[in-house]
Amino acid sequence: EDKVVQSPLSLVVHEGDTVTLNCSYEVTNFRSLLWYKQEKKAPTFLFMLTSSGIEKKSGRLSSILDKKELFSILNITATQTGDSAIYLCAVLSGTYKYIFGTGTRLKVLA
Amino acid sequence: DGGITQSPKYLFRKEGQNVTLSCEQNLNHDAMYWYRQDPGQGLRLIYYSQIVNDFQKGDIAEGYSVSREKKESFPLTVTSAQKNPTAFYLCASSPLRGTSGRRETQYFGPGTRLLVL
Repeated sequence: EDKVVQSPLSLVVHEGDTVTLNCSYEVTNFRSLLWYKQEKKAPTFLFMLTSSGIEKKSGRLSSILDKKELFSILNITATQTGDSAIYLCAVLSGTYKYIFGTGTRLKVLA
Repeated sequence: DGGITQSPKYLFRKEGQNVTLSCEQNLNHDAMYWYRQDPGQGLRLIYYSQIVNDFQKGDIAEGYSVSREKKESFPLTVTSAQKNPTAFYLCASSPLRGTSGRRETQYFGPGTRLLVL
């Protein structure tokens, strides 16, 4: 059975800390891995990764995929209170089926 | 402004009642999806559609029904057979066409929170 596992389930840090969120997967017909940020409502897209070892960066966020070990990490440096959210990892299997992890709830304290 | 809209924002259902959640997109995306999100759980796929007049069951389709009569619209009906409907429902779409990267990215609507009275 396809599955995506995220860890930790929740995390509390202080502003300025660096955090690493993990996503491991066992999915048949892997196409890509996506990271989303969900604050109150709709998840918003952060990154899509398809190739191993190529880091994607956007400001203080970065992510990398390891297709041999079947995992991805999302790093956030110099965290701010606005980074508080649920971070979702999803794997696209085949053309259309996205399998989501349970998410990591991040709380950044001022 | 292109995007996905869902309505209503909150919906209350009485026992034995069918209710319909609306999802509309003007992104010209081929694929549309419905997910259910419960506290402490990830998104679970209810139904998806890759093309007009065609749709497939996801992992938790029992007690739900959909239609795809227009490319822009993918309404979800929560039937009385769904015994535990209280959840946050998210609609999403993706292009399925275009350059790699773009075609796989899913875009989400703001969600509908369904509560049972």
